[in-house]
Amino acid sequence: KNQVEQSPQSLIILEGKNCTLQCNYTVSPFSNLRWYKQDTGRGPVSLTIMTFSENTKSNGRYTATLDADTKQSSLHITASQLSDSASYICVVTDRGSTLGRLYFGRGTQLTVWP
Amino acid sequence: EADIYQTPRYLVIGTGKKITLECSQTMGHDKMYWYQQDPGMELHLIHYSYGVNSTEKGDLSSESTVSRIRTEHFPLTLESARPSHTSQYLCASSAHTGVHTEAFFGQGTRLTVV
Repeated sequence: KNQVEQSPQSLIILEGKNCTLQCNYTVSPFSNLRWYKQDTGRGPVSLTIMTFSENTKSNGRYTATLDADTKQSSLHITASQLSDSASYICVVTDRGSTLGRLYFGRGTQLTVWP
Repeated sequence: EADIYQTPRYLVIGTGKKITLECSQTMGHDKMYWYQQDPGMELHLIHYSYGVNSTEKGDLSSESTVSRIRTEHFPLTLESARPSHTSQYLCASSAHTGVHTEAFFGQGTRLTVV
């Protein structure tokens, strides 16, 4: 069964600190993995995309890693800001159908305190 | 910011009423999706469309129906709203571009049935 598991479920950190969010998946065949940021009451917005051949991708203070062999990804946030408070969702796309089916994790709820 | 719009953003309605949630995108994407998301939970696919006159049910059973008469428009209808339909509904669209397929999300409609 294709699944996406994220940890931790929630995380509280102080402003300026770093944190790492984890994503494990069983989706196969694999096409890509995206990390989305979802602010409360809004739709998800893509932060990074990782394809099979990519190990690391950065977008400002966000750095995503992918280990396609172990089917694990992480999202590292450096020097956190209050505006980073949001839900971070790992989304894996398969390439086994014309739909390009999206599989969503439950998300990690990050809260940054001043 | 993605060119995909949902209306209304918030809706409170009585049991038994018929409602239509609107979703429009101006990116010319063939694929459109409706997701249902309860607080703190993952997104569940309830409907999707490959293109005009194409609609399919998603993983999560839903009493709602959809139509796709025009490429840019993908409305969702509930013939008789019930309290169990209270949730957030997210519309998304995508253009299949191989391994870099990305779904763009609307802001969501938060529905409360009383």
